Amino acid sequence: QQQVKQSPQSLIVQKGGISIINCAYENTAFDYFPWYQQFPGKGPALLIAIRPDVSEKKEGRFTISFNKSAKQFSLHIMDSQPGDSATYFCAAAQRQLTFGSGTQLTVLP
Amino acid sequence: KAGVTQTPRYLIKTRGQQVTLSCSPISGHRSVSWYQQTPGQGLQFLFEYFSETQRNKGNFPGRFSGRQFSNSRSEMNVSTLELGDSALYLCASSPPTGGGPDTQYFGPGTRLTVL
Repeated sequence: QQQVKQSPQSLIVQKGGISIINCAYENTAFDYFPWYQQFPGKGPALLIAIRPDVSEKKEGRFTISFNKSAKQFSLHIMDSQPGDSATYFCAAAQRQLTFGSGTQLTVLP
Repeated sequence: KAGVTQTPRYLIKTRGQQVTLSCSPISGHRSVSWYQQTPGQGLQFLFEYFSETQRNKGNFPGRFSGRQFSNSRSEMNVSTLELGDSALYLCASSPPTGGGPDTQYFGPGTRLTVL
């Protein structure tokens, strides 16, 4: 199976708060797990990615947590800012990307 | 370096017509992938080209086709358009290191509306 399930569909966070988006996958052959950020009128932009041999990866305010046994991974955005308001997609890949359904994040000032 | 370029940015067609979309990858990139983005189905993989050869294909009908030229530029064609083909069509290119799904850079997309 190639599905990647993403939740929540939408998220509203206060400025300075933590945004958490979760994804689950079924295909254990996936070996690359990126997160993309998309602003209106733009294509998705790679935010951060992880391989299954690592349980956590941090880049600035963005952290991926990866649980291989549970087949789940999540994106944490620390100190969320209004400029982070966008749609976030998780994805999983073996030969090509399979995307989650997206999370519309709104960070209130 | 210039990013991925897609033309046209907006397109309006009627049912039954055909359409060709163009993608110019980042200079030096040889892999080009196409995706369809709709509110209902999200982002779905169409196909990938590498060195003028289709390397992977998603689960779309044969009305969707593509090709890649020797300069890595790619075109996507949709024949006999249906209302459900209305979508944002995204192109992504990857650097030549392995040519896998990692480090894909997306273009801004072509917004296709079928009336």
